[in-house]
Amino acid sequence: GAVVSQHPSRVICKSGTSVKIECRSLDFQATTMFWYRQFPKQSLMLMATSNEGSKATYEQGVEKDKFLINHASLTLSTLTVTSAHPEDSSFYICSASSGGHYGYTFGSGTRLTVV
Amino acid sequence: KQEVTQIPAALSVPEGENLVLNCSFTDSAIYNLQWFRQDPGKGLTSLLLIQSSQREQTSGRLNASLDKSSGRSTLYIAASQPGDSATYLCAVDQGGSEKLVFGKGTKLTVNP
Repeated sequence: GAVVSQHPSRVICKSGTSVKIECRSLDFQATTMFWYRQFPKQSLMLMATSNEGSKATYEQGVEKDKFLINHASLTLSTLTVTSAHPEDSSFYICSASSGGHYGYTFGSGTRLTVV
Repeated sequence: KQEVTQIPAALSVPEGENLVLNCSFTDSAIYNLQWFRQDPGKGLTSLLLIQSSQREQTSGRLNASLDKSSGRSTLYIAASQPGDSATYLCAVDQGGSEKLVFGKGTKLTVNP
């Protein structure tokens, strides 16, 4: 079946630094990748949608200059949290789609803690 | 704006019991509905996907139904096992950009 690899699984960083999270589709071409954020006991909230080779579309309230998304190839998307602050601490998870609304494959998530 | 609600928020049952998880959504114009399982600190595992034209889907001990007109879906788990303990998430695809809207989930605990 389709597999999406997400790294790192956990990261602790100092306030003010940047963190990059990678999401790779291992056995299929992901035309679209989605980035979600999940706070404790809350729903997954969509942050942005990215299509290979084009700029990401951000959801309302998500700062595009703070959460940089790059989708340079059909198998790799990255999310960079710039100038991280403690309030950015959360569980970040990506998902990938090959198109057609036939289902979504999720990565294993990244637990970000900003100290 | 689509809103997805899952009831109950938490459920604890003895092993072997059959159970039903509920999901409701406010906008019936959906493309599909998907049930996921999430283990603590982990990603999501897709369980069942129901297209808007379908009424139900089955996989092993799991059966999901969809009543689009009333904005409801149920996930039925037969003969529950401790290994079924996890948070179960319901999500709807609005179509168009394939964005998913998630409920907050139901945390299931199956006691041996």
